[in-house]
This record gives sequence, structure tokens and C-alpha cells, in this order.
Amino acid sequence: KAGVTQTPRYLIKTRGQQVTLSCSPISGHRSVSWYQQTPGQGLQFLFEYFSETQRNKGNFPGRFSGRQFSNSRSEMNVSTLELGDSALYLCASSSLGQVQETQYFGPGTRLLVL
Amino acid sequence: DAKTTQPNSMESNEEEPVHLPCNHSTISGTDYIHWYRQLPSQGPEYVIHGLTSNVNNRMASLAIAEDRKSSTLILHRATLRDAAVYYCILKNTGTASKLTFGTGTRLQVTL
Repeated sequence: KAGVTQTPRYLIKTRGQQVTLSCSPISGHRSVSWYQQTPGQGLQFLFEYFSETQRNKGNFPGRFSGRQFSNSRSEMNVSTLELGDSALYLCASSSLGQVQETQYFGPGTRLLVL
Repeated sequence: DAKTTQPNSMESNEEEPVHLPCNHSTISGTDYIHWYRQLPSQGPEYVIHGLTSNVNNRMASLAIAEDRKSSTLILHRATLRDAAVYYCILKNTGTASKLTFGTGTRLQVTL
């Protein structure tokens, strides 16, 4: 099976712009989670989508949003970019998002905001 | 979320066993203990998980204290490819899909 894929891998934006990142989960997986990784804050949970519905949400401002499509692919959007949004954005998928399940991570999208 | 505490860094010689400790004194009865690791320039990858009993898989072993307030990830023979940041994470059914990463332990493996 192909692993989790994320596009694009690298992105440069300027402050005030918006950005959309894409994640394709492992085939058959219905749960997709997003994480932000920065040197200062480490890995932080953004949100999780399951069957096109947001099921869990982390402590991020409303500028961070996401959605999931019927084929389980997910996108996250960041509006009005700030310098502090520069980070590695990771997507992870699992079959049903249950407590015992393994989450499989993609390689991430590295976003630089200038 | 229940909190975990890990040493910031550890060193090991190649082909020696490595014991990575994790304290989780506020663990609840329904919290599962998961370990993930992140190799340089990669996303995290699953290592092992358990609830009460010790667990073994092809990558590692997980030893869980009887009171469940601590656990130890055991790499039986460290290789250079095991150099990574190792995260000990508690998961419960309430937020099952959410991984709360701490600062982890950076493992250095030397020849």
C-alpha cells in the first residue's frame, strides 16, 4: 500500500496570504489528523477529520481550518498567514482513529512565511 | 491530557541495548501508552503501544510498571538508524486520534 502523501512538500508564502495543504491518507483509512511542528512548540495537534466531519480540535486560532472529502483526502487551510505559521505541517492517517490504532504520518509540508 | 516526562537526551553505543524511560504518574486506567519516534527529516513513526502488560514487536519491547506510572521502551540492539527523537504518549478513548507529543528523548547512537 502506498503511504500517506502530502503536497506540496515545500511552500513559500508572504504574510497575509493564505495557503492550502493537501493530504492523501493510506487507502482505506478514514481518519486524518493534522499536526504542526515548530522548533519552539514541538509537535502540536491541529485537528482530526473522520468521515468528512471534524471530530477533534486542538488549540489553534480559527485561521486554521480543514476539510475532508468523501474519498478521505483532506486539506488544511491557513488564512492571513503570520511569520509564526512557518512550520512543518504533518498529516497522519489511521483506519478509524481509535485509541489502539497506529497512526501513519506523511513526510510533511514545510511552509515558510516571509 | 495526562502528562509524560522523558529525559531530554540519551546516548548509546551501536549494538548495545537501550532503555528509554518515561514517567506518567497521572495516567488513568483507560490510557494506552504509545511510543513514536521521529528520524531526522521524517514524519513520526509508530514504534509500539501497550495498556498493562509488557509488549514485544519486531522493533522494540515495552515494559510497563505494575502501577502503570512509568514505562520503558527497550531497543534490544541499537543501530545508527535508531538515532531519533522518541516520544512517549498517552492516549485515551476520549481523544483517541489525538497524539499529544511532549519534548521526547533524543537518542544518539555511536559506533
